[in-house]
Amino acid sequence: NAGVTQTPKFQVLKTGQSMTLQCAQDMNHNSMYWYRQDPGMGLRLIYYSASEGTTDKGEVPNGYNVSRLNKREFSLRLESAAPSQTSVYFCASSDRPGANYGYTFGSGTRLTVV
Amino acid sequence: DAKTTQPPSMDCAEGRAANLPCNHSTISGNEYVYWYRQIHSQGPQYIIHGLKNNETNEMASLIITEDRKSSTLILPHATLRDTAVYYCIAFAGGTSYGKLTFGQGTILTVHP
Repeated sequence: NAGVTQTPKFQVLKTGQSMTLQCAQDMNHNSMYWYRQDPGMGLRLIYYSASEGTTDKGEVPNGYNVSRLNKREFSLRLESAAPSQTSVYFCASSDRPGANYGYTFGSGTRLTVV
Repeated sequence: DAKTTQPPSMDCAEGRAANLPCNHSTISGNEYVYWYRQIHSQGPQYIIHGLKNNETNEMASLIITEDRKSSTLILPHATLRDTAVYYCIAFAGGTSYGKLTFGQGTILTVHP
């Protein structure tokens, strides 16, 4: 029962470097999401994909891009990392947008930009 | 989605019931009340959700007032492992395309 798997778990980047955070789910869910969580704060939605082939901006999309590679995988890319993007990133999935039941979250990627 | 208000922190003795309140006075008719928790450094974990009726599962009970303006999450026999941040979210999945909005939550500390 893997659920939602995120890689890597930890990453340190230099300002200006790029990287891609990977997320995969094995529950055949249609919708996937990327959130960030800064110290002492709640989660904020960066981007989401309601279904395969679609992506939309969330609350804090600036500085990020996403790709819904297939139904299982949803990646988050930082093209030019900035210290303000130091955060913990969580990926989540749900069966479909209209479903009223719980989402499954990954264990997070802890990113530090120096 | 409606705004929710929770106390910033609460304490509970191990083995006792933990009752976590949430106010959502502007909740609309199609919004469910969801509860998630986040144990230190882990991803949020779904606990329970409800619309009007009280709900119970293996983890907790959810009591929603008749006017739906507030609710209480009950952990019947709290353990040390229940120490976490608890988030109350008012959410209408069909209209929000799954965009859960997390606030500050309540830090629950369970003491021995």
